[in-house]
Parts: sequence; structure tokens; C-alpha cells
Amino acid sequence: DTEVTQTPKHLVMGMTNKKSLKCEQHMGHRAMYWYKQKAKKPPELMFVYSYEKLSINESVPSRFSPECPNSSLLNLHLHALQPEDSALYLCASSQSSRTGETQYFGPGTRLLVL
Amino acid sequence: AQTVTQSQPEMSVQEAETVTLSCTYDTSESDYYLFWYKQPPSRQMILVIRQEAYKQQNATENRFSVNFQKAAKSFSLKISDSQLGDAAMYFCAYRTTPPYGGATNKLIFGTGTLLAVQP
Repeated sequence: DTEVTQTPKHLVMGMTNKKSLKCEQHMGHRAMYWYKQKAKKPPELMFVYSYEKLSINESVPSRFSPECPNSSLLNLHLHALQPEDSALYLCASSQSSRTGETQYFGPGTRLLVL
Repeated sequence: AQTVTQSQPEMSVQEAETVTLSCTYDTSESDYYLFWYKQPPSRQMILVIRQEAYKQQNATENRFSVNFQKAAKSFSLKISDSQLGDAAMYFCAYRTTPPYGGATNKLIFGTGTLLAVQP
């Protein structure tokens, strides 16, 4: 099973709202990732969690707040977003071994900020 | 820093024909991985094929194969017997070998090639 699930599929929020994106995997992977993807562009890495600890933050604004409650779950808390934050947010996971670290992606959450 | 270049923003192929998507990369490392990901209009990114740099043999997955030229830093994807379901954005990606004991790694993506399949 190579499934990464993400909820919700779509999200519309105002600039003053607080919302959260959820990502889940049950493959025993120990690394999880958040990406932001604009239309017809490659994904841009935002955060990396390794063994439930934040290991990479690609200088993401503080209005995005990641959380990894356990090895299977990854959240992205959103607060006071801007319209330019509208995008597809992808979650991915990978094994923790040195070899074969393919990243498996979820279907994404399409976010619209009004 | 490593870079990945896909010089073909869009390509088109007739159903049942063969098409080759180009990818070049720049790196000073000797140990790394290369990937082709496919993202159909339904948007889920799917792994198509993976190549380890230390393996000289080109990777193959059914109708998908790569031409990996390490010295030339080239990693092209060949799709044989193209099907309508192959229509998608294809991203070439590079990944460095993670540090010992570490699980984190960064994928460096190219800009993508949008493939259309004509019936």
C-alpha cells in the first residue's frame, strides 16, 4: 500500500480564518513533507519532518505552521493567509532508509484564499 | 547547487506512438537518484520510474524506460505505445543521497513537460 491521504480535498478561506490541512500515511514512513504547488509549476518544498521532528523549513512565512503529532500524521495549520497563498498543497512521505527513498505523494488540498 | 532542466514545456504524441521527454541536470555529486513523476489533470503526483546513479543499467517499468547518461548528466524518459491515460505533466526530479542516519532528503524538480496524447 503506497497511499498518502489528504483532507480536505478543497478549502476556501478568508484572510482572517484559521484552518488546518491533514495528511496521513500508514506505510511506516518516518519522513513527511509539505509542498506548495502553483498551476503548471513544480512543487516547492515547504517543510520536512523526520522522525516527527521538523528538520527542514524552507523559510516559509509563519502564517503556515506545521505539526507532526505522530509518525503517521502531518498537519499544516493556516492562519491569516494571503490571496497569493492560494495553491495546491501536497503532502508526501518516504522511508527512513538510506536507499530507496522514493517520495509518495498525496492527492493534495486545493486551497483558495479570498 | 543542483539544478534540473526540462527544455520541452509541451509535447504531443499520437496514440500508440513513442515519445521521449528530455531532462538534464547539473551536480557535482557522484551518488544520487533521479525520478520521473507524472501528474495527470486529477493532480495526484505518481512515481513513474526511478534510477540510481551508481547503476549503469537503464531502469524500465513496462512501457516506460529511461536513457540515463551519467557523464552527459542526461535522464530522458521514453514512453512506448502511448495511451490516452499517459496525458499529464511529467516532472523530472533529482535527489541527493541523504546523510548517514538521516531520513530527510530534498527533491529538486524540473519545470515539467506537459504531454498531450492525440487519439
